[in-house]
Order: sequence, then C-alpha cells, then structure tokens
Amino acid sequence: DAGVTQSPTHLIKTRGQHVTLRCSPISGHKSVSWYQQVLGQGPQFIFQYYEKEERGRGNFPDRFSARQFPNYSSELNVNALLLGDSALYLCASSSEVPGARTNEKLFFGSGTQLSVL
Amino acid sequence: AQKITQTQPGMFVQEKEAVTLDCTYDTSDQSYGLFWYKQPSSGEMIFLIYQGSYDEQNATEGRYSLNFQKARKSANLVISASQLGDSAMYFCAGKGGSGSARQLTFGSGTQLTVLP
Repeated sequence: DAGVTQSPTHLIKTRGQHVTLRCSPISGHKSVSWYQQVLGQGPQFIFQYYEKEERGRGNFPDRFSARQFPNYSSELNVNALLLGDSALYLCASSSEVPGARTNEKLFFGSGTQLSVL
Repeated sequence: AQKITQTQPGMFVQEKEAVTLDCTYDTSDQSYGLFWYKQPSSGEMIFLIYQGSYDEQNATEGRYSLNFQKARKSANLVISASQLGDSAMYFCAGKGGSGSARQLTFGSGTQLTVLP
C-alpha cells in the first residue's frame, strides 16, 4: 500500500510569490494534517482537515490556507511568501476521528522542502 | 496545551550498545499520548513507539522501548543494540486535549549518531 505522498519534493520561490503544496493520504485515512518544520526545530502544527472541513488551526497567519478534496487529498497554500516561510512542509494522515479522544498515530510523508529567496 | 522538552541536542553511541534519549512533557490533560518518531536525512517522519497515559506497562516495539515515568512526566526512548542505520534525528511528541483537533506537539529533537 502507498504511504503518504507529497508533491513537489523541492520548490524554490521568491518573496511575495504564492505556493501550493499537495498531499495524498494513505488509502482509507480521512484526516490530513499539515506541519511546518524549520531547520533545526521540531515540526509545528498548521492545519488539520477531516472530511473536507477544517478541524484545527495552529498559530499561523492568514497567508496560510488549506483545503481537502472529496478523495481526502489536500492542498496547502501560502500567499505573499516571506523568507521565514522557508521550511520543510510535512503532511500527515491518520484514521483518527476528531473529537474521539483516541491517540491514533500519524503517518507522515517525506515533505516538500520550500526555499524562499 | 502540551509542552515537550528534549534536552539532548546530540548523542553518540557505539554500534551494538544501548542508548537512552530523554523526553519530558508538561500537560494538564488527564488523557494523553506520547509518541517517538525518527527522521532520517530523507525528511520522512517514521513512527517508532507510542505510550498512552493510562497504559500501565511500558511500551515496547522490537529494539525500541519507552521508559514511562508518569510521576516524573518523562517518556524516555531506549534503543537496544544500536545499528548504523539508527543514525537520525529523533523526536518526542505528545497529543492531548479535548478539542476536535488533537494535534501532535513536538520537542526540538535529538540527533543520534551511531559509531562503528
């Protein structure tokens, strides 16, 4: 079975541009989360989506947005890129149902390395 | 909210020896979960082991075991018989809360290097 797949693997943009990152979850997983990992730090939570609805948002500006499609794949969009947006963006999927208070593990993709020049 | 602390930025271990990676957590939640992930240079976060707050036994998964001490709020990862392929970044993460989005909160990680 395919794991979580992300595209593209690497991306170079300039300040002020817009970027779209894509993620396909593991088959059967309806929950998709996005994390930002700046070099030398642990990942930081950006969004969680479940069945096309946003279920959680981390402490990120409105320049960051996301959506989930009927096939549970997801896109992360970042507008007006800043140098500080340079990071590894990780997508994770799980079988957890929001609000169920279970501790399903997250399965991560290999990430998209975004460089903003 | 959770806070995860990993105080060892880097660790070295000789091949075939055991190593302990430290993790402490701070949470007011009664029900929570603690996870360890491995991140090789390829970037993917690989799940290693999980411990639930109500689990009485320490979790084990092959060469990985979790030394869970609830009173000390610590969840240290023990890797036995280290292998060269174990060289990677290791993250401790916690999940808790009562909201609909119970996301993982990660520590800053420990870079493990296994020496031949």
